[in-house]
Amino acid sequence: SYELTQPPSVSVSPGQTARITCSGDALPKQYAYWYQQKPGQAPVLVIYKDSERPSGIPERFSGSSSGTTVTLTISGVQAEDEADYYCQSADSSGTREVFGGGTKLTVL
Amino acid sequence: EVQLVQSGAEVKKPGESLKISCKGSGYSFTSYWIGWVRQMPGKGLEWMGIIYPGDSDTRYSPSFQGQVTISADKSISTAYLQWSSLKASDTAMYYCARLTDGSGSSFDYWGQGTLVTVSS
Repeated sequence: SYELTQPPSVSVSPGQTARITCSGDALPKQYAYWYQQKPGQAPVLVIYKDSERPSGIPERFSGSSSGTTVTLTISGVQAEDEADYYCQSADSSGTREVFGGGTKLTVL
Repeated sequence: EVQLVQSGAEVKKPGESLKISCKGSGYSFTSYWIGWVRQMPGKGLEWMGIIYPGDSDTRYSPSFQGQVTISADKSISTAYLQWSSLKASDTAMYYCARLTDGSGSSFDYWGQGTLVTVSS
């Protein structure tokens, strides 16, 4: 079965840059998507197609891709960015979609 | 405004059946795939399956194939997730969400979630 691997946790101070990675063998050929989930709330799409930002998502959120790793970057982290972040993508055949295990972002 | 409104929380016993719903509005319901995502208590998101209400084409994750049934009634813009015999391990929050474009894409709009508790 296909898996996407994320670090369990990332910690940054306010104003710094947070980088959350997601690794998977099929990422060179499949788009990745990123979601933010705050406690007690439904997930929110923050990045689609590796690096596109939906309307209404702050510019400090960006995405990039390099080989088998995609990265969500949050520049100038704010306290309100503290949340769980999940990547999503498909296996090489495109027939199985999966989520990564999630990364808890803590703003110190 | 695109909205997905899910049915309310459920408390069931093991072995019982259940069908939860997700009503879409503010867009052409038959033109977008709708998916279901499970989140067990304190755990991550799991992609369960999707349906295209226009023709009821349905796809399941291998992990959920045979365990649940996804359906839709386009006449009332509503998608469903159902179980024939619940287990305690089905206790989770279930989200419906609309796919952005095509069957292999992101979920751009989400329902508020339906909490299913299965306990004897």
